[in-house]
Amino acid sequence: EVQLVESGGGLVKPGGSLRLSCAASGFTFSSYSMNWVRQAPGKGLEWVSSISSSSSYIYYADSVKGRFTISRDNAKNSLYLQMNSLRAEDTAVYYCARGKSGSYGYWGQGTLVTVSS
Amino acid sequence: QSALTQPASVSGSPGQSITISCTGTSSDVGSYNLVSWYQQHPGKAPKLMIYEGSKRPSGVSNRFSGSKSGNTASLTISGLQAEDEADYYCCSYAGSSPLFGGGTKLTVL
Repeated sequence: EVQLVESGGGLVKPGGSLRLSCAASGFTFSSYSMNWVRQAPGKGLEWVSSISSSSSYIYYADSVKGRFTISRDNAKNSLYLQMNSLRAEDTAVYYCARGKSGSYGYWGQGTLVTVSS
Repeated sequence: QSALTQPASVSGSPGQSITISCTGTSSDVGSYNLVSWYQQHPGKAPKLMIYEGSKRPSGVSNRFSGSKSGNTASLTISGLQAEDEADYYCCSYAGSSPLFGGGTKLTVL
């Protein structure tokens, strides 16, 4: 059974940093592109970043470019999102999702990031 | 890039059919046959219902179908059931950055 479990969310002050993790199991992690998608409270879904299976291709939404860094460790079956210079508008549930080109067949349960002073 | 345009809400009675539209541009929906649809119940993660415009993942009811015409994609749900009440989001590949719609709240009357 495919499982994606996010962790690392919490309350952080504006300008602060946070690192999210996503532990994958039940599939060959190294064969799949992975993504972060977020959802602000009461709002819609927003794609944040994608990374190809071997980390050769990495993409970011304009809203996070230069502040967030996606990475993966295929040996540890883990996906990461390093978030720096956090802003109030980054407050959201962050989901880890497997897939590519906008088609995400598996999602984690999400981890809440709250940016507030 | 702006989000894809979806109606804020749609409603239907049990057994009826409804269609949710998703309008983009020639740079996203119109250029790629890579539109996906997601169902999200409150407090839950999104669930993939349609991918590549009209394909259903294993386990998704055949009451859900997808189509596209020009820059507009559509999700049709036939034989509405109470459990279909949820938020629905479209998503289109748009080069390196996928684009989501604003979401549509489906109410089953």
